[in-house]
Amino acid sequence: EPEVTQTPSHQVTQMGQEVILRCVPISNHLYFYWYRQILGQKVEFLVSFYNNEISEKSEIFDDQFSVERPDGSNFTLKIRSTKLEDSAMYFCASSKNRGRIYGYTFGSGTRLTVV
Amino acid sequence: DAKTTQPTSMDCAEGRAANLPCNHSTISGNEYVYWYRQIHSQGPQYIIHGLKNNETNEMASLIITEDRKSSTLILPHATLRDTAVYYCIVRVAGGSEKLVFGKGTKLTVNP
Repeated sequence: EPEVTQTPSHQVTQMGQEVILRCVPISNHLYFYWYRQILGQKVEFLVSFYNNEISEKSEIFDDQFSVERPDGSNFTLKIRSTKLEDSAMYFCASSKNRGRIYGYTFGSGTRLTVV
Repeated sequence: DAKTTQPTSMDCAEGRAANLPCNHSTISGNEYVYWYRQIHSQGPQYIIHGLKNNETNEMASLIITEDRKSSTLILPHATLRDTAVYYCIVRVAGGSEKLVFGKGTKLTVNP
């Protein structure tokens, strides 16, 4: 069964450093998403991306965050200057049709620890 | 998106049916009911969704009441691997793409 692949599985970074989280969505999917989950809290939407543009973003997704699809297979989330409160699991997801028929497929996540 | 209410936790014996309820009394006519689950700290996994008819797939069945104000996810023969947090989410298909996750129901399947 096709999977969404995320790398690395765990990343530790110093406060103020830039991090890039990487995702390889399912190959025939057109819509891409990032969610995050702070330990013990709910899963929160960050951003959706389609046709090389952000289609929707949450209040969390401020100027410190950016997304990019640098080539035909990767989808990245960049945090420019990490803060302690950015520590969380970050999940990438993709869908063929905005989740209407088959739902979204999520990756296993990247655990980001900011120290 | 309509608010949903789910029990915080439930237990089920292995091999028995697990019935997970969800209330969505303010659901509107064009909102679908989606179910996802999250096993430990893995990414959420799509299970099933429906509008007003009952639905079944290889993972589960979804029963939606006639007034659409509540629904039940049924795992017909729960296994230990079904232990997870189950989320009931209501959204307009084709509307906002974001999924709004609540706290869900922590289902524990016991041997």
